[in-house]
Amino acid sequence: ETGVTQTPRHLVMGMTNKKSLKCEQHLGHNAMYWYKQSAKKPLELMFVYSLEERVENNSVPSRFSPECPNSSHLFLHLHTLQPEDSALYLCASSHARGGAGETQYFGPGTRLLVL
Amino acid sequence: TQLLEQSPQFLSIQEGENLTVYCNSSSVFSSLQWYRQEPGEGPVLLVTVVTGGEVKKLKRLTFQFGDARKDSSLHITAAQTGDTGLYLCAGMMDSSYKLIFGSGTRLLVRP
Repeated sequence: ETGVTQTPRHLVMGMTNKKSLKCEQHLGHNAMYWYKQSAKKPLELMFVYSLEERVENNSVPSRFSPECPNSSHLFLHLHTLQPEDSALYLCASSHARGGAGETQYFGPGTRLLVL
Repeated sequence: TQLLEQSPQFLSIQEGENLTVYCNSSSVFSSLQWYRQEPGEGPVLLVTVVTGGEVKKLKRLTFQFGDARKDSSLHITAAQTGDTGLYLCAGMMDSSYKLIFGSGTRLLVRP
């Protein structure tokens, strides 16, 4: 059972479209994360927010723009994406910024296909 | 360069067999976590190991953290079809909030 929800679950978009992914956590956490999961590659950390402040931007292209309006919500705004951006985008949350044994809880992901 | 190497990448076994999945690195981690991910879902945490040499059991699953905290293994006894999925190890380094993920082991348990 997960307290992290993501919408939409599936998204098909053209390279000129603008869309947004939404993540919501109901666990009272104060850190939220965006990951990208591509075929044959490990999960890649994209962004980290702690207490609504971005603390990590992991060399992600500017066509991905995150937004964290409060500790329960996280968005990923997408524009002018490329076909190689097609992947599963996962949101996660945790109680604190890391530390040994800190657990991240993942949402179900948004499966994105860029045509 | 992959920081965490998982092996094997794929494993197909018969129900009832035992298996071991390995997660190796040249780096030291403050903790290591194992996740299972099913198709269309996000990873779900199975266990966290923190102390070098630590062994944790979760029903038929046994997790071990290496003495030097550089490697870990997951052993499944008498595998069941419900164990099918992608198994991911993820390590956290000292003074960091980043989880470094391995590339995963895709397990298929045949009835």
